[in-house]
Amino acid sequence: GDQVEQSPSALSLHEGTGSALRCNFTTTMRAVQWFQQNSRGSLINLFYLASGTKENGRLKSTFNSKESYSTLHIRDAQLEDSGTYFCAAEAWSNNRIFFGDGTQLVVKP
Amino acid sequence: EAAVTQSPRSKVAVTGGKVTLSCHQTNNHDYMYWYRQDTGHGLRLIHYSYVADSTEKGDIPDGYKASRPSQENFSLILELASLSQTAVYFCASSVNERLFFGHGTKLSVL
Repeated sequence: GDQVEQSPSALSLHEGTGSALRCNFTTTMRAVQWFQQNSRGSLINLFYLASGTKENGRLKSTFNSKESYSTLHIRDAQLEDSGTYFCAAEAWSNNRIFFGDGTQLVVKP
Repeated sequence: EAAVTQSPRSKVAVTGGKVTLSCHQTNNHDYMYWYRQDTGHGLRLIHYSYVADSTEKGDIPDGYKASRPSQENFSLILELASLSQTAVYFCASSVNERLFFGHGTKLSVL
């Protein structure tokens, strides 16, 4: 979307490796969420952050509202991590939530 | 974790026909939302509601109506379905702005 620029659009990883996904925001955001859309199409809420860093297993997310970006780090990637990852950010100005266009992640053996 | 269920899972509709997508949540969330997802893109907000018997327009409301008869139920209505409304539709509920989604409804308008 216009307010949320997500990169890369696609990413391929070998099992056991890691990488970072990023979202840049063109307006000031109050919070960010990260979702995984799995092979069945379901959207799973991974993180909600109003600031700082959160970690859950092999995933870690950071939100820097001042510099208008958020990252999702994946380490020790597993096959089941494949899917499309979306960030969604809530704007201060109108409380609307805007989605990025997603990063399509493929984890290979 | 929030339980949001949508029905039907998929639907084929004819152009000009009426389509109703239903959503039910069991976790007492005040806010409910309808989004559409087009292939290769993120989600866009159609309508939302923060209380029963009230709905609000989202970013792309044209061609859609919404109904929130109770806190648990939120419907999306396409009075005159069009080809451009072929998409996957997601319902969500939220608590403290954290979104929990249903499994989606794949709508094909022919």
